[in-house]
Amino acid sequence: NAGVTQTPKFQVLKTGQSMTLQCAQDMNHNSMYWYRQDPGMGLRLIYYSASEGTTDKGEVPNGYNVSRLNKREFSLRLESAAPSQTSVYFCASSEIRGQGYEQYFGPGTRLTVT
Amino acid sequence: GQQVMQIPQYQHVQEGEDFTTYCNSSTTLSNIQWYKQRPGGHPVFLIQLVKSGEVKKQKRLTFQFGEAKKNSSLHITATQTTDVGTYFCSGGYNKLIFGAGTRLAVHP
Repeated sequence: NAGVTQTPKFQVLKTGQSMTLQCAQDMNHNSMYWYRQDPGMGLRLIYYSASEGTTDKGEVPNGYNVSRLNKREFSLRLESAAPSQTSVYFCASSEIRGQGYEQYFGPGTRLTVT
Repeated sequence: GQQVMQIPQYQHVQEGEDFTTYCNSSTTLSNIQWYKQRPGGHPVFLIQLVKSGEVKKQKRLTFQFGEAKKNSSLHITATQTTDVGTYFCSGGYNKLIFGAGTRLAVHP
């Protein structure tokens, strides 16, 4: 049971380049999330997918697109990277039980845009 | 929109001292969750509180949810070097709002 996996672990992009961050979970969870974490700050939700086939914007969606490829996979795309997108990106998954749920996070992708 | 604030931002303690971090929400929360992130690591779920006034314990960690369900606290008794990291609270249903975290440093 790998939990939540993310690729790549590190990436350096030039301004204007594009890339896709991959995320997969093997816990059969319905919900998946993408967050960014900047130094000294908490996690900010970029996009989430409550179930296969649906995606919704979070707090900071501008400059990103997502695809929920199937129940296991949720990818995040930067079409034209900007230095402001330098951050650590975490993918997470969860299953809603009762009034709440716990989120399982992947190891993160450290992205630098120069 | 909803905001979740944590205080303090940073605290350093001597090993063996107690530590408390506080979480305050601008709106009533259906539940609150606490996560721990070790330096260079990813957030790891610690606990969830859902009932008004709820108190839960995990060994040296005590979590409380306020009566009005707008605030919460995490208290660590007799800190150890393994407690080092950043502690985040988060609230909400599908779209979790995270606080900025409290970074704990423990000096041996």
